[in-house]
This record gives sequence, structure tokens and C-alpha cells, in this order.
Amino acid sequence: KQEVTQIPAALSVPEGENLVLNCSFTDSAIYNLQWFRQDPGKGLTSLLLIQSSQREQTSGRLNASLDKSSGRSTLYIAASQPGDSATYLCAVDSGNTGKLIFGQGTTLQVKP
Amino acid sequence: SQTIHQWPATLVQPVGSPLSLECTVEGTSNPNLYWYRQAAGRGLQLLFYSVGIGQISSEVPQNLSASRPQDRQFILSSKKLLLSDSGFYLCAWRDGRDQPQHFGDGTRLSIL
Repeated sequence: KQEVTQIPAALSVPEGENLVLNCSFTDSAIYNLQWFRQDPGKGLTSLLLIQSSQREQTSGRLNASLDKSSGRSTLYIAASQPGDSATYLCAVDSGNTGKLIFGQGTTLQVKP
Repeated sequence: SQTIHQWPATLVQPVGSPLSLECTVEGTSNPNLYWYRQAAGRGLQLLFYSVGIGQISSEVPQNLSASRPQDRQFILSSKKLLLSDSGFYLCAWRDGRDQPQHFGDGTRLSIL
């Protein structure tokens, strides 16, 4: 059974710092992995999708990497801004049904 | 471009009352559709998913049901709500397994 873990659960950093959010999964036989952002009381916004054959994806200040063999993905945020404050979730698509298995999320606070 | 509409945004219902939440997607055809619940302090739980009209898969036994009467319409229903049905309900879609999943703005459901 696939399990997804995100550490840390919460993170507070000063504005301008580069930071890394971690996501680990127990079954390396994944189809793809997706990172989301969720603002309080809102739905999820898709940030990056990494296919199983890819090593990384980039969008603006965001870079997501994938290491299937070790069951890990990281989301790198460069030059963090207060507007980056949100909960970040990773989700793994594995198995035969295409369901996403979500981690519990990392709540990020970027202080001005 | 594709958009997803989910309503209502908030809903307060008494125990034992019926429920109907609606989700529609525009700008695509034959999407995969999903209903999730996010309870306070917990991760996302997949409730139902559909790969086509009339095709519904249930993930968790409960007093909720889902229907897909049209290609881009997904409805979550209950005949009698329980206190435990409170939560944040999210609809999502994607065009295929190698595409990102996109979420609606969610419905905050409170049961009194």
C-alpha cells in the first residue's frame, strides 16, 4: 500500500531564503508525482507534475525533483516571498487505478 | 481554457437532511472526475472517481453517493447527513493519467 509522507509538517523562514520541502513515498512504482499549493480555505492549485521518467520540472522559482529509486521528491522554492505562505502537498499516482495518494502537507510561513 | 466550477462555497445543514453538491468542468471532454473530502487537520481522502458517464468508483464505504449524469458534471449526494460528514469537499478533474489534476474551490459543509 502506497504511503506518502511530508516532512516537516510546518516551516517558518524569513523572506528571501531558498528552501526545500520534502516528500517521500513507500512504493517506487509510481506513474507520476504532483505538487500542489493550498491557501487557507481554498482548493488546491497544481504547481508541478513530474512523470516517472523525469528527474525534475521547473516553473518560475519552483523546481521539483524526483528520485524514484529512493522514493523521494523535493520541491525547491528560490528566493521565498510572503506570498509563498501556504500549505504544500505532494501526491503520488501509483497502482492500476490512477488514484492520487496525498501526503499530509507542509505548512510554510514566509515572514517579511 | 479549462475551468472547474463547484458550488455552493459553504453549506450548513441539519443532521438527517439530504445533500447535493455539484461540480462541472468546462473546456474539455470525457475528463476523469474526482470527489475528495478534507477533514480538519487531516489529509485529502478520495471518496469517488469517475472515468466516464455513469461510471462511478467508490473508495470509502459511507452514506454518500456520487453520480455523473453528463460528461462534465459530477454530483455528490446523501439522503441523510451525519455529523461525521462535516468537512471540506473538493471536486477535481484531469484529462488523462499523464496530465495534472486540477481542483475546484471546494465546499465547506457544516452539519448541525
